[in-house]
Amino acid sequence: GQNIDQPTEMTATEGAIVQINCTYQTSGFNGLFWYQQHAGEAPTFLSYNVLDGLEEKGRFSSFLSRSKGYSYLLLKELQMKDSASYLCSSENAGNNRKLIWGLGTSLGVNP
Amino acid sequence: DTGVSQNPRHKITKRGQNVTFRCDPISEHNRLYWYRQTLGQGPEFLTYFQNEAQLEKSRLLSDRFSAERPKGSFSTLEIQRTEQGDSAMYLCASSLGKGGKNEKLFFGSGTQLSVL
Repeated sequence: GQNIDQPTEMTATEGAIVQINCTYQTSGFNGLFWYQQHAGEAPTFLSYNVLDGLEEKGRFSSFLSRSKGYSYLLLKELQMKDSASYLCSSENAGNNRKLIWGLGTSLGVNP
Repeated sequence: DTGVSQNPRHKITKRGQNVTFRCDPISEHNRLYWYRQTLGQGPEFLTYFQNEAQLEKSRLLSDRFSAERPKGSFSTLEIQRTEQGDSAMYLCASSLGKGGKNEKLFFGSGTQLSVL
């Protein structure tokens, strides 16, 4: 089957580093996306990985291991505004390239 | 480009009434998706279009739900005989639809439906 798992909730302190993990089981894997969603707002794109390794973009980095079906989103120098839900999504090449979504990880940043 | 536009932003209706939502995607985007989302959950896939063709409709979706994209541009989602369980945020998203990073979705602000 096709499935994406990520923790439901995480908390961290302002200025700290937090890692949000995502494991996926999909057929015809063709890339993994991370989105950020603030309460009451639509998701916005953060990152895309298709090759193994780390992609860095400012305070946010995303890692992918295709052999392990595993990704993580790393947030550095946490700010209060980073409190949001983080959604992991996988693209399936064999399913009309439709995205499969996790339920999201709700991150709370405390002062 | 102003991004993906959805209207209305909020809709309150009585059970049993029909409602229709509109989505205007980014103009050069071929793919258009409809999702439903409730609090604390990820987006739940409803249906999607490649240009004007509806490629897939969720098997979880009842026959009360229908969507169109008549000219491959804007799309409408209609819910007939609404039920209280239909209360949710309805999100529209579009993408270039060419695979890989071009599957990156751009979301509209959503339509929050409340069925009383």
